[in-house]
Formats: sequence, structure tokens, C-alpha cells
Amino acid sequence: GESVGLHLPTLSVQEGDNSIINCAYSNSASDYFIWYKQESGKGPQFIIDIRSNMDKRQGQRVTVLLNKTVKHLSLQIAATQPGDSAVYFCAESTSGTYKYIFGTGTRLKVLA
Amino acid sequence: KAGVTQTPRYLIKTRGQQVTLSCSPISGHRSVSWYQQTPGQGLQFLFEYFSETQRNKGNFPGRFSGRQFSNSRSEMNVSTLELGDSALYLCASSSLQGAGNEQFFGPGTRLTVL
Repeated sequence: GESVGLHLPTLSVQEGDNSIINCAYSNSASDYFIWYKQESGKGPQFIIDIRSNMDKRQGQRVTVLLNKTVKHLSLQIAATQPGDSAVYFCAESTSGTYKYIFGTGTRLKVLA
Repeated sequence: KAGVTQTPRYLIKTRGQQVTLSCSPISGHRSVSWYQQTPGQGLQFLFEYFSETQRNKGNFPGRFSGRQFSNSRSEMNVSTLELGDSALYLCASSSLQGAGNEQFFGPGTRLTVL
């Protein structure tokens, strides 16, 4: 498949364990954040989003935490499955700018 | 509902040539953004269009241009191709006007410049 990133930080977790992927964002004015999952040969797929007036949001098996004080975002995946293996990106946006800034990505490997 | 479609999926060009990539957003989506993805630089914002108007542009040379049509379909053009333009070019569409809205990505166009 196509390589998304050759030198990405990699997180290896056992199947069934919880995964935590971290992201430091750059702009204190950013008020909207998205986590994306990208599998080889595909475009990024939306996982979950959060606005800056929240510090936590939960989806199906995923939770996003936002710490604006230290400009940190995390994605927690519960009961990680082999299908979760992919590259995960965080993206930040500021209202009125119409652009998203993406993090460098983290490769998640799920070990059977 | 059909997703974002991009054509062509793969393209091989030589240095100095130009290329046009096409993106059809999800029906009803009026915002289209373009990104360049490379292993070294990650996902880099190129530009965003809404109702045929470019509202923001990333830090790319003028060889990179785009446009949006009245039906929200968008094209991007790269002139005088360089080896470093080899990348996956991704298009994303969004339904709402402002930033702070969910973007849906297409599968991308893989451009190889020889």
C-alpha cells in the first residue's frame, strides 16, 4: 500500500487494550479540533471532533480530551481492535480562517 | 449519499508539465479544501473554496492554483511540475460555511513526477 509517513512515531498496543494517542497543537486561537484515521491507500476518515468550549467528548469506543492550558489533545480508543491499525492525525482550526492544520500523525499498530 | 470523489486516482507526469486534478464534493457541500500529503511534510493545506471564492491559501508557490465551479466541483492545477510535487493530493468537502465543521476527505490523487 501507499506509505502515509515513513518516519512517524509508532504506538504498538495489544489487541483488547486501550490506546492513547497524543497531539500537541500550535495555535492558542484554535477553537475546533478533529481526529482523523488514515488507512493505507485511503483518504483520512473522520473519527471525532471537539470544540474549544468542551474538554471531553465521547463517541463509540473513542474519547477525545482537550487541554487548552497546555494545548494538548488526546484520542483514547477503548478495546483496541486490529481494524484500528492506521495512522491517526489531529487537526486544528480557527473560526474564520477556513483552514485546518494537521499534526504529523501517529501510527497505531495493534498486536494480536 | 456518495462520498467525495477525486479523479484521476493516479497520475504520472514529467518535470515541466502541468496537471489538473478534479474533485467532486459530497452533494450539498459547498466548501472544498485541497491538501498535499507527503511522507516528509505530512498534510499541508493548499487552499479552500466556498461558492466559487477562494477564502484561504496555504504557503505554496503560485504554480499551485485552483478554482471552484458553480456546482461546487473543484479543480486544482499545478504548472511547471517539479520532482518535489510528487505527493498524494487530497480534497475534502464540508457542508457548512465556516471553519469548525466536519470535513470529509476523498481517496486522493497520487501524483508522481519523473
